[in-house]
Amino acid sequence: NAGVTQTPKFRILKIGQSMTLQCTQDMNHNYMYWYRQDPGMGLKLIYYSVGAGITDKGEVPNGYNVSRSTTEDFPLRLELAAPSQTSVYFCASSPLSAVSPLHFGNGTRLTVT
Amino acid sequence: QKEVEQDPGPLSVPEGAIVSLNCTYSNSAFQYFMWYRQYSRKGPELLMYTYSSGNKEDGRFTAQVDKSSKYISLFIRDSQPSDSATYLCAMSAGGGTSYGKLTFGQGTILTVHP
Repeated sequence: NAGVTQTPKFRILKIGQSMTLQCTQDMNHNYMYWYRQDPGMGLKLIYYSVGAGITDKGEVPNGYNVSRSTTEDFPLRLELAAPSQTSVYFCASSPLSAVSPLHFGNGTRLTVT
Repeated sequence: QKEVEQDPGPLSVPEGAIVSLNCTYSNSAFQYFMWYRQYSRKGPELLMYTYSSGNKEDGRFTAQVDKSSKYISLFIRDSQPSDSATYLCAMSAGGGTSYGKLTFGQGTILTVHP
């Protein structure tokens, strides 16, 4: 049982490049989330999904896009990368809503130069 | 003013010490309170979960919630070097459209030295 798996672990992008951060979970959870973590700032919600085909914006969605075609996968797309998107990105899932604990992946460390 | 405030530390204590970690918040709608532990280069993992006010104990860990003061605490007794990590408080209003919209504190870096 792998839980939440994120790839890649590390990535360096040049300004203006695009990339997709992959996230997959094998727990059959309906709810999936993308957070970013900046030093001293806690975690900020980027996008979330309550099931396949349903996504919505979180607190800091600008510059990102998501899709949810299956229960297992929730990729995060960065278009036209900017230095402000340098961060650690965490994907998480939960079986229910905010009342159930989140299961996090181990993150993708992204640097945009 | 941030919705959730947490002293980032860093906090350094000797092995065996009692550790107190705290968060204050401003949103009176928060009902679900959590503490996550995050080891270096890893994702956060749930440590304690409390609904509304009161205390909850799990082994060496005790979580307290005081909704009247908008203040939550995590106590670690007999701290061990393996407790060295970043501790994040998180909270949610729950239900409705919250859908896991946790609001996190900044995290407190704890080091327990032998």
